[in-house]
Amino acid sequence: EPEVTQTPSHQVTQMGQEVILRCVPISNHLYFYWYRQILGQKVEFLVSFYNNEISEKSEIFDDQFSVERPDGSNFTLKIRSTKLEDSAMYFCASSRGNGNQPQHFGDGTRLSIL
Amino acid sequence: GQQLNQSPQSMFIQEGEDVSMNCTSSSIFNTWLWYKQDPGEGPVLLIALYKAGELTSNGRLTAQFGITRKDSFLNISASIPSDVGIYFCAGFAPGSGNTGKLIFGQGTTLQVKP
Repeated sequence: EPEVTQTPSHQVTQMGQEVILRCVPISNHLYFYWYRQILGQKVEFLVSFYNNEISEKSEIFDDQFSVERPDGSNFTLKIRSTKLEDSAMYFCASSRGNGNQPQHFGDGTRLSIL
Repeated sequence: GQQLNQSPQSMFIQEGEDVSMNCTSSSIFNTWLWYKQDPGEGPVLLIALYKAGELTSNGRLTAQFGITRKDSFLNISASIPSDVGIYFCAGFAPGSGNTGKLIFGQGTTLQVKP
C-alpha cells in the first residue's frame, strides 16, 4: 500500500540553525500538509499546500516557517532559525483531493533543538 | 476556534473486553475521522465518517457520526493486545474541508492487559 515517507526520522539541531524536513507524499495525491505534535500533546495543523501555493496556515506557522515542493515528488518544511520550542514530532500528510478527503500521514520526523 | 474533546483520556482494559470512546465539540463538523497512533509512528486512518448519523465498521471497529454533527464515537469489540495505542478523533469544520485543516482531539490512550 502506498505510504507517505519522511526523512530524517530524527534531527538534532542547535538553536538558531536552519533545518529542512523532507517528505515524499503518496504519488497520486495532490494536497499536502504539515502537522506538529509536541511530546504528549495532540496533533496540531501547521499548513496545507496545493498547486504550489499555501491554502491555509495556522498561527504557529510564522515567518520562520516555509514550505516548498521543489520537484514532482518531494515536499519540504523549512524552519529558518530554530527555537527550543520547535522541538516536536513533525508529520507530513497528503490526500487525493480536498472536500474533506482523508489525510494519510507519514511516520514523522522527531526534531530536537539543543 | 473549534476544539474536539475526547474521553476518556486513558483506558486500561482486559483482553477480550469491548471499548468505547467518544469525541465531542461545541461546534459542528462536516467530517469525522478516527486515527490510531502507535509509539514512534504517525497516525493511521481507521475510519472516515461523512454524513450525520452514519455508522461505519472496519473489522472489530465501529464508529458513528452523531446526528447533531457535534460528536462521534468509536467502539472496539473483543480487544486484543495489538489494539494498544493512542486513538485520535479528528474532523473538518465547515469551510476547512477546502483547505484541509484537520482538527485533532487530545487522544485516548488504550492499554490492554493480556
